[in-house]
Amino acid sequence: GENVEQHPSTLSVQEGDSAVIKCTYSDSASNYFPWYKQELGKRPQLIIDIRSNVGEKKDQRIAVTLNKTAKHFSLHITETQPEDSAVYFCAAPEGGSEKLVFGKGTKLTVNP
Amino acid sequence: TAGITQAPTSQILAAGRSMTLRCTQDMRHNAMYWYRQDLGLGLRLIHYSNTAGTTGKGEVPDGYSVSRANTDDFPLTLASAVPSQTSVYFCASSPSSGNYGYTFGSGTRLTVV
Repeated sequence: GENVEQHPSTLSVQEGDSAVIKCTYSDSASNYFPWYKQELGKRPQLIIDIRSNVGEKKDQRIAVTLNKTAKHFSLHITETQPEDSAVYFCAAPEGGSEKLVFGKGTKLTVNP
Repeated sequence: TAGITQAPTSQILAAGRSMTLRCTQDMRHNAMYWYRQDLGLGLRLIHYSNTAGTTGKGEVPDGYSVSRANTDDFPLTLASAVPSQTSVYFCASSPSSGNYGYTFGSGTRLTVV
């Protein structure tokens, strides 16, 4: 089945700096890669996703890049703000299905 | 407001007791999922349903059962709770048919003592 590894587990940056979180996946058939943001005590919410037919997608200060050959994808947050502090999860579908396998999460702290 | 509703928000349950966590969505999504979230382990799939009338096992199904009698409801039952089932449980749904976008419920925090 699909295996998703996420690094780092914790990340601390200064406000205004960039943050990068990386994930690797094992199933070469996977074709959809979402990122979720979970604030403390809240539900995970989709912030950006990418499909396998593109290499990069941007939405204001966040972007996701995909390298299908190497089977990894990354979340990039620029000009970080304190409200970006949260746990971020990557995911990939399992075995061509629509069941998502999640990484273990990255706790991002943006220091003012 | 359209979305997905979970109940209860939190519960303390004595070991050995049974409990049903409720999940209802009004988006007419075909697929529904139950995940548990534990510190350091992320979100792990318990059971899923691709469409009404069908269910399947996820990564950690032992001790849990589900049913999908209709499109909207997907209850999760713990027949005889154990302390290792202490966790935060999230229900999610997606339109399926190639659209993977998950919508999560607000979660149920369960403590088994």
